[in-house]
Amino acid sequence: NAGVMQNPRHLVRRRGQEARLRCSPMKGHSHVYWYRQLPEEGLKFMVYLQKENIIDESGMPKERFSAEFPKEGPSILRIQQVVRGDSAAYFCASSSIGQGAAKNIQYFGAGTRLSVL
Amino acid sequence: DAKTTQPNSMESNEEEPVHLPCNHSTISGTDYIHWYRQLPSQGPEYVIHGLTSNVNNRMASLAIAEDRKSSTLILHRATLRDAAVYYCILRDLNTGANSKLTFGKGITLSVRP
Repeated sequence: NAGVMQNPRHLVRRRGQEARLRCSPMKGHSHVYWYRQLPEEGLKFMVYLQKENIIDESGMPKERFSAEFPKEGPSILRIQQVVRGDSAAYFCASSSIGQGAAKNIQYFGAGTRLSVL
Repeated sequence: DAKTTQPNSMESNEEEPVHLPCNHSTISGTDYIHWYRQLPSQGPEYVIHGLTSNVNNRMASLAIAEDRKSSTLILHRATLRDAAVYYCILRDLNTGANSKLTFGKGITLSVRP
């Protein structure tokens, strides 16, 4: 049973370009979370999605960032017009349905390391 | 989620037990205690969780104080591979299904060969 798959592992973009980060959750998982880890900082929640729905986007920057989790295919975190401050590790996690929040376990991918030149 | 406090860092010797403390003095009756760890250059990894009773799994043990205001993650025999940042996180049963994880700074464990 494959774990959470993120690609690419490393992504280099120039300022002003778009970055697309993909996340395939574990088999059978219908909940996806995105977290960001800036250099020398802790992990910060960005967004929580279920299939075709954004449930909680309280951690998403107001501009340039968007996320989706379509009915078919991976979840996508999209960053438009990247700036140097977007350079960070972006982690995706998934969880299954049917467990209470307090007992819910999130399984993380290896992350995508975005570098903006 | 209620707040937790952990020391910044701890050192251990290989093959010795490690006790990683976590204080959560404002814990509520519906808060579960979760531990995750993050190895260098990797994503976080679930370690263990509990509510009131001590818990054991293949990775570690979780000892919860009787008043639940603190807990200790126990690695019975540290290996070099256990060097990581360990996060103690409280998760409220009433928050709603599948809510976000709120990570603090965690405790950085170093393991000496």
